[in-house]
Amino acid sequence: NAGVTQTPKFQVLKTGQSMTLQCAQDMNHEYMSWYRQDPGMGLRLIHYSVGAGITDQGEVPNGYNVSRSTTEDFPLRLLSAAPSQTSVYFCASSYGGGSLNTEAFFGQGTRLTVV
Amino acid sequence: QKEVEQDPGPLSVPEGAIVSLNCTYSNSAFQYFMWYRQYSRKGPELLMYTYSSGNKEDGRFTAQVDKSSKYISLFIRDSQPSDSATYLCAILTDSWGKFQFGAGTQVVVTP
Repeated sequence: NAGVTQTPKFQVLKTGQSMTLQCAQDMNHEYMSWYRQDPGMGLRLIHYSVGAGITDQGEVPNGYNVSRSTTEDFPLRLLSAAPSQTSVYFCASSYGGGSLNTEAFFGQGTRLTVV
Repeated sequence: QKEVEQDPGPLSVPEGAIVSLNCTYSNSAFQYFMWYRQYSRKGPELLMYTYSSGNKEDGRFTAQVDKSSKYISLFIRDSQPSDSATYLCAILTDSWGKFQFGAGTQVVVTP
């Protein structure tokens, strides 16, 4: 039972570098999302997707890109890393599909430090 | 203004005490309310959810929603050191699964 898998678990980037955080789920969920978690700020939505080929911006999208070519994968791209993007990133998935659902399944997180 | 407000704590209690956590929210149209538990360096996991107003009990945990006050609560009875975690309230804000989370309250239960 893999659930939601995120890679890498830890990453250090230099300012200006780009990278992709990977997220994969094996539950056939339609809805996937990316959050960042910072002390005292809780989880803030970066981008989300309601199905393959459909993405939209969340609360804090600047500096990040996403795409959804398959149901299983939802990578998050940092275009030009900045120290303000130092955070813990969580990918989550849920059933979606227009039905009410109350549980988001989270990955284990990626701890990103930008120096 | 965030749609969900939660005191980040930390909240420290002795083992066996009742833990009381709460959140306030702004939109009276919200109907589904959740509590997630997050252990250190792990992803959040759903603890319980409630629909509309009322109480829901699951073992030592009770979730309450007061829609008239836009207030949601989580109570942990007979708290254990294993309950030490961050507890996040969350609200389902659309039918596709978009959630708004509170800041999370760190709870420490001391033996």
